[in-house]
Amino acid sequence: AQTVTQSQPEMSVQEAETVTLSCTYDTSENNYYLFWYKQPPSRQMILVIRQEAYKQQNATENRFSVNFQKAAKSFSLKISDSQLGDTAMYFCAFMKSYNAGNMLTFGGGTRLMVKP
Amino acid sequence: EAQVTQNPRYLITVTGKKLTVTCSQNMNHEYMSWYRQDPGLGLRQIYYSMNVEVTDKGDVPEGYKVSRKEKRNFPLILESPSPNQTSLYFCASCQLGVDADTQYFGPGTRLTVL
Repeated sequence: AQTVTQSQPEMSVQEAETVTLSCTYDTSENNYYLFWYKQPPSRQMILVIRQEAYKQQNATENRFSVNFQKAAKSFSLKISDSQLGDTAMYFCAFMKSYNAGNMLTFGGGTRLMVKP
Repeated sequence: EAQVTQNPRYLITVTGKKLTVTCSQNMNHEYMSWYRQDPGLGLRQIYYSMNVEVTDKGDVPEGYKVSRKEKRNFPLILESPSPNQTSLYFCASCQLGVDADTQYFGPGTRLTVL
């Protein structure tokens, strides 16, 4: 079974600064996908960024980027130029490729507060 | 607008009273699933469906039923709700084989069972 660990239950950052959220996972699979989802106070689950394990290049989406270290089984999220709207819970998630159930395995989440 | 919708958004009920939470998507996605979210546990999959009339159990299926009679709809049924089913429920859908099978979530349904 896969497990996903987010070791930082809460973090805070000043507006316009950069913050990195950590995620590690445990799997024996070689082909898989990794995701970061954001859950603002509205509770909606919003995709932030995704990474295919076979791709060596780290994914980026505007101010969001990841540091994917496959050998270390690490998948951190960097948020640059933090904005007040980035305040939310952030969940790291893992999914096996060719997974018949397409089941996402989630970490416990990191609550991020962006301060003005 | 492409979206996944859920109804109701909030529901308070009593033990044993059957209820259904509806989920609908307008993106013609083949795959749909249900998750529940509990504090400290992240989201856990309840049931999923790979296509019409094809459903299967996820990680925590006990006490739940689903059906997939139409591609766009995937209702979650609690035939005899119990207090341990108090949770935040999410429906999700994806187009298989596209964008790393990225799942897109509905707005959530907050269920309280007294």
